Amino acid sequence: AQTVTQSQPEMSVQEAETVTLSCTYDTSENNYYLFWYKQPPSRQMILVIRQEAYKQQNATENRFSVNFQKAAKSFSLKISDSQLGDTAMYFCAFTPNYGGSQGNLIFGKGTKLSVKP
Amino acid sequence: KAGVTQTPRYLIKTRGQQVTLSCSPISGHRSVSWYQQTPGQGLQFLFEYFSETQRNKGNFPGRFSGRQFSNSRSEMNVSTLELGDSALYLCASSFGVVGNTEAFFGQGTRLTVV
Repeated sequence: AQTVTQSQPEMSVQEAETVTLSCTYDTSENNYYLFWYKQPPSRQMILVIRQEAYKQQNATENRFSVNFQKAAKSFSLKISDSQLGDTAMYFCAFTPNYGGSQGNLIFGKGTKLSVKP
Repeated sequence: KAGVTQTPRYLIKTRGQQVTLSCSPISGHRSVSWYQQTPGQGLQFLFEYFSETQRNKGNFPGRFSGRQFSNSRSEMNVSTLELGDSALYLCASSFGVVGNTEAFFGQGTRLTVV
């Protein structure tokens, strides 16, 4: 079975500082996608960053970057210069890249991040 | 352009009743998938539709069903509601296969079963 594990239920960080959220996953697939989603109190899930497993280079999106370690099946999210608006639940998600996987995002349990002024 | 719209936003039903939730995807998106979010189980995949065909289904009982119309709007139905069905139901739409294309989520329908 494919699983996603987020070992940090809650984290906090001071505004302007850097924080790293951890995620590990388990799969026998070689070709897949990994994501970090943000869910603020408004409940709407927003894609933060996406990584294709066959790409060696770590994805970056402005203040957000990932450390993708394929052999270790690790996919951590680094948020630099944290802002109050980053306060949210963060979910790590996985989907295999083959025909039967359409729409099947597998999510971790989430990490609740609080950014303190 | 308009995002993914889910209606209603909140719903209270009695155990044993049935409920229908609606999802209007982003214009041009043909894939709609549904997820159940609860504090205990987290986010769990229900099913996915593409061009009116169910392509994938999660591990939920037959009381959970769905359909997609020719305009890509989707509905999910839960029959014989149980207290454990109380959850936030999220819908996501994408142009194509999730992963290759981004999945955009709606704000969800909060279902409370009493």
